[in-house]
Amino acid sequence: DIQMTQSPSTLSASVGDRVTITCRASQTISGWLAWYQQKPGKAPKLLIYKVSNLESGVPSRFSGSGSGTEYILTISSLQPDDFATYYCQQFHTYSTFGQGTRVEIK
Amino acid sequence: QVQLQESGPGLVKPSETLSLTCTVSGGSISTYYWSWIRQTPGKGLEWIGYVYYTGSTNYNPSLKSRLTLSMDTSKNQVSLKLSSVTAADTAMYYCARGVRFAGTPRHWFDPWGQGTRVTVSS
Repeated sequence: DIQMTQSPSTLSASVGDRVTITCRASQTISGWLAWYQQKPGKAPKLLIYKVSNLESGVPSRFSGSGSGTEYILTISSLQPDDFATYYCQQFHTYSTFGQGTRVEIK
Repeated sequence: QVQLQESGPGLVKPSETLSLTCTVSGGSISTYYWSWIRQTPGKGLEWIGYVYYTGSTNYNPSLKSRLTLSMDTSKNQVSLKLSSVTAADTAMYYCARGVRFAGTPRHWFDPWGQGTRVTVSS
């Protein structure tokens, strides 16, 4: 199994802050990585696929980068609607998710 | 736009078979992968498996011995059957469309259904 480890588990930030979330894979996943946002009581929503491709309709303040085993989700200027939990997903071998990063209001 | 709706019993007894259906509207189930994913507070998001429009399947090895996924193109539905359930199968179950990267079977999930909560208890 490919294990996905996100850090931090919880992040406290203010509106306007630049936020980064890291996802590390237990082995190389060659860029087969997606990011999702989940709000309480809702299903996850795709933000980014294949490392850095922004899903249609997703604000440009979201961006993704990385390679090999380390990947980063960046929110350039945190907005009130962005307080949520974020998950990475590898789809190199089967599919596994990170444990999530909760972004909360500071 | 494509919408997915999961349905099934909210309560299943231990040792019985869990059966769920995902009804797809706004688009055909042909040409895509259709996955089931479950979520618990303890284990987070866990991919269960997928069925491809050709009927081929791929299962999470940890569930493979108990799992059957299928599709009914005439009804635009995807189905899950998980046998011999235990309390560990209590979760929110989602279906999701798998969007594949050109020329490969690798895929991410978009969109997701709203999910259906399943509790395993006597």
